Amino acid sequence: LAKTTQPISMDSYEGQEVNITCSHNNIATNDYITWYQQFPSQGPRFIIQGYKTKVTNEVASLFIPADRKSSTLSLPRVSLSDTAVYYCLSGSSGSARQLTFGSGTQLTVLP
Amino acid sequence: EAGVAQSPRYKIIEKRQSVAFWCNPISGHATLYWYQQILGQGPKLLIQFQNNGVVDDSQLPKDRFSAERLKGVDSTLKIQPAKLEDSAVYLCASSPLFSGGANEQYFGPGTRLTVT
Repeated sequence: LAKTTQPISMDSYEGQEVNITCSHNNIATNDYITWYQQFPSQGPRFIIQGYKTKVTNEVASLFIPADRKSSTLSLPRVSLSDTAVYYCLSGSSGSARQLTFGSGTQLTVLP
Repeated sequence: EAGVAQSPRYKIIEKRQSVAFWCNPISGHATLYWYQQILGQGPKLLIQFQNNGVVDDSQLPKDRFSAERLKGVDSTLKIQPAKLEDSAVYLCASSPLFSGGANEQYFGPGTRLTVT
């Protein structure tokens, strides 16, 4: 079972950079690390995915150390609309390993 | 590009009744997932299809839950009979990627089920 551990909640202020770290100690060779964002009453929305080192897109960066046992989602200059639950997954589509969402991290951005 | 469609959006039933949910994935997506999300928890994978074949259903309570994906496109998830603890949001997701392990999933809005 591909299990991840994240902080339950985080607070930040508008304009700050937010870093959310996820632990995935039993990550397998074929597993990718994926982050999703979920607003109330909506399905999760894909943010970013990576296998190793650093990945950056228009909304976030993902940092993965060489041992791949953890990862950090970085959100630059957050706004109030970034208040949501963020989920980290490690898993492999198409294999018998389960795609497991943890409890997620509730990020609250304050004015 | 149209997103993942689900219906109904809300359903209220009494315990021991049956219910069915429908999902239409994004066109061309080979992989389809059903998740159960209980309030305050992350989504829990119930079943994963690759085209019309089952990849993983290890967390599907098979005594009461069933799912099918005929013709490898639309899918239905059924609960019969429902229990109070089945009250949750049922999410459908699809993915265009299969090989290599990457799993960027696109989620529908979900069906909120209340069992009374």
